[in-house]
Amino acid sequence: SQQGEEDPQALSIQEGENATMNCSYKTSINNLQWYRQNSGRGLVHLILIRSNEREKHSGRLRVTLDTSKKSSSLLITASRAADTASYFCATVSGFQKLVFGTGTRLLVSP
Amino acid sequence: DGGITQSPKYLFRKEGQNVTLSCEQNLNHDAMYWYRQDPGQGLRLIYYSQIVNDFQKGDIAEGYSVSREKKESFPLTVTSAQKNPTAFYLCASSLGTADEKLFFGSGTQLSVL
Repeated sequence: SQQGEEDPQALSIQEGENATMNCSYKTSINNLQWYRQNSGRGLVHLILIRSNEREKHSGRLRVTLDTSKKSSSLLITASRAADTASYFCATVSGFQKLVFGTGTRLLVSP
Repeated sequence: DGGITQSPKYLFRKEGQNVTLSCEQNLNHDAMYWYRQDPGQGLRLIYYSQIVNDFQKGDIAEGYSVSREKKESFPLTVTSAQKNPTAFYLCASSLGTADEKLFFGSGTQLSVL
């Protein structure tokens, strides 16, 4: 079962622009995580935000969480061609299972 | 280097054949997971294990089997009962529960001959 739905499904921007991806989920959560996947590779953890947090930063990444709207956003500032990848949100709710969304494919052109 | 190693990177299965995907970690993590990813899709949980000699079914366990005889190893067998096995398989581990971040291997692409 897919808990999270990312929006947009695909995003194409120029280097230097900001990229914003959104994630909506259905049930209450313990935490929400964002991962990155380069084509044909495994996923890499980017950031974790707990249900009692509203915003978190890590380098050029900014994540917000609105539990009342059951949504989160990932902002990548000053994007680079190397940021081209798929980005997934994942939620933990209930017992021991991390459930992934369908992903946003980001293309950053030089 | 610490991390998760999946092998092989590419695997081909003949009809009626069982194949086993290897996953080894040297992170001293208790929990390990197997996910399946279809093209352009998210990840779906096949099986997970929180401790040695114990594992639970995920959302799509039918046609798959696992074992967890050692903390470091969590092999996945794709049996002949899995009629649509072509996919990218990802193994992951975490320190304890799924509240922790997951560390992923580089994946195995399984195709049917």
